[in-house]
Amino acid sequence: GEDVEQSLFLSVREGDSSVINCTYTDSSSTYLYWYKQEPGAGLQLLTYIFSNMDMKQDQRLTVLLNKKDKHLSLRIADTQTGDSAIYFCAEILSGSARQLTFGSGTQLTVLP
Amino acid sequence: EPEVTQTPSHQVTQMGQEVILRCVPISNHLYFYWYRQILGQKVEFLVSFYNNEISEKSEIFDDQFSVERPDGSNFTLKIRSTKLEDSAMYFCASTLGIDTQYFGPGTRLTVL
Repeated sequence: GEDVEQSLFLSVREGDSSVINCTYTDSSSTYLYWYKQEPGAGLQLLTYIFSNMDMKQDQRLTVLLNKKDKHLSLRIADTQTGDSAIYFCAEILSGSARQLTFGSGTQLTVLP
Repeated sequence: EPEVTQTPSHQVTQMGQEVILRCVPISNHLYFYWYRQILGQKVEFLVSFYNNEISEKSEIFDDQFSVERPDGSNFTLKIRSTKLEDSAMYFCASTLGIDTQYFGPGTRLTVL
């Protein structure tokens, strides 16, 4: 099917690392994305990774890509209360008009 | 930094009425998209637009929906006869090419 899968909820303590996981569907996807959505707000692009990469680091964010298992993860180091939000992974299906297919989102709650 | 803008931020309408949601994509972008997010659900693709025509549309995008780029800056989504189930957050997005899509803040549509 065309479902991008994510676990629905994750809680961490402030200062700990968060790891949000995603399983995508299309092994030919060229780009994979992480978006952040705060309550009542739009979608903020956090980071993306090109499919020929295994890892990408951007300040506190680390994206890992396992193409064999079609698994994508987002690690947030030193998680802060301001990181509390819904995190969506998304892919562009090959052969499409480049529209994004989103996962259901993971609600990250950061506890003080 | 350039950004995608959307108006209005919130639209309330009666069932059966027509609504037009407006978007101003980033000025040099070439590909334009509408997505919607029903409350508590994932973000779903509606339609993509390139070179002044629809390049792809989802099953959601039926005859009640239309898109237009009436001038060089605006990109609109029209719903001809709104239904209760059209209540959702509608996001516009644009991109220059195959990498990142930038999203607007969304329009919350409430159909009564």
